[in-house]
Amino acid sequence: AQSVTQLDSHVSVSEGTPVLLRCNYSSSYSPSLFWYVQHPNKGLQLLLKYTSAATLVKGINGFEAEFKKSETSFHLTKPSAHMSDAAEYFCVVSGLDTGRRALTFGSGTRLQVQP
Amino acid sequence: DTGVSQNPRHKITKRGQNVTFRCDPISEHNRLYWYRQTLGQGPEFLTYFQNEAQLEKSRLLSDRFSAERPKGSFSTLEIQRTEQGDSAMYLCASSLGLNSNQPQHFGDGTRLSIL
Repeated sequence: AQSVTQLDSHVSVSEGTPVLLRCNYSSSYSPSLFWYVQHPNKGLQLLLKYTSAATLVKGINGFEAEFKKSETSFHLTKPSAHMSDAAEYFCVVSGLDTGRRALTFGSGTRLQVQP
Repeated sequence: DTGVSQNPRHKITKRGQNVTFRCDPISEHNRLYWYRQTLGQGPEFLTYFQNEAQLEKSRLLSDRFSAERPKGSFSTLEIQRTEQGDSAMYLCASSLGLNSNQPQHFGDGTRLSIL
């Protein structure tokens, strides 16, 4: 079965410093991996997706993620945090382990950005 | 692309009442998903439609829950005899295509509160 683990429930950074949100996945097949962001009382917005092309994926708002098969990781990074980046971030896997089309979400990482 | 639309945004009801939520997906999207998100957790898959056919239901979808997509466009999710544990954010998402790597686009959700 496929699963995803977000290693930190909360991350706090200062504005202008780098962001690292960690994610490990488990999947018997080559997975499709996504990062979504959720602002309070809003739906989820797609940041980026990995679908077996380039291992370094660039997304919106300056975020990027690197797929490392040997480490089964898909960490999200941003060189310089902005106040507007404060939100909940979800690492998500989609695949064909069970023939399912639905997404499997991690438990989320809350990013705080200090001024 | 007007996005995925969900109505109502908020629903407050007494325990034991029936509630119905509506989701209007992005117009050309053939797949529609329902998820439930409780406080502090990632979304959990409930059910999935391809066109008008309901192809998968999660074990979370008890017999009090029913979803329809009668013409392959909008969808409704009904909860009968609501219970306290049904309090959650109900999210709808849609996607296009046959591959699991197609990103899902989410609505802003319907927040259900059971008194």
